[in-house]
Amino acid sequence: AQSVTQPDIHITVSEGASLELRCNYSYGATPYLFWYVQSPGQGLQLLLKYFSGDTLVQGIKGFEAEFKRSQSSFNLRKPSVHWSDAAEYFCAVGTNNAGNMLTFGGGTRLMVKP
Amino acid sequence: KAGVTQTPRYLIKTRGQQVTLSCSPISGHRSVSWYQQTPGQGLQFLFEYFSETQRNKGNFPGRFSGRQFSNSRSEMNVSTLELGDSALYLCASSLGASGSFEQFFGPGTRLTVL
Repeated sequence: AQSVTQPDIHITVSEGASLELRCNYSYGATPYLFWYVQSPGQGLQLLLKYFSGDTLVQGIKGFEAEFKRSQSSFNLRKPSVHWSDAAEYFCAVGTNNAGNMLTFGGGTRLMVKP
Repeated sequence: KAGVTQTPRYLIKTRGQQVTLSCSPISGHRSVSWYQQTPGQGLQFLFEYFSETQRNKGNFPGRFSGRQFSNSRSEMNVSTLELGDSALYLCASSLGASGSFEQFFGPGTRLTVL
């Protein structure tokens, strides 16, 4: 069975600083990897996804993520954080043989200091 | 195109009652998945329906059930409610069911069990 770990429960960064949110997954084959963002009281919005091919994927709102198979990681990055990026971020893994079932990490809550 | 809609948005029930939540997927989407989100357990997969058939089921007791109609709308039912069922229930829709299709989430139904 697959699993996802997000080691950082909370992260605080200053506005304009760079950001990296960590995600490690466990799955025997090549997984489908996703990053979602959730604002308070809202559903989940997809930031980016990796299925295959180029290991550096670009997403919405200036986010990118890099798939590193050797490290079983899929870290999310943004070069310059805006106050509106404050939210909770979830990494998720899906597989080709489990339909649309996603396994989520515990989430990382991002706070942005002015 | 309208997004995923969930009704009701908020619900208060008492222990022992039952509840039915509704999800209308994006037009043309045939897969609907349900997730439970709680502070303690995070986001957990409940089940997935595709073309009116349950394709995947998470590790939840039989009190949790669902169904999908011919127009792809889905309902989930929780019987004999317990305090621990208080959660945000999220629905996601997708074009297909192979895992490689993007899932779009609704805003959720906030269930409070007293």
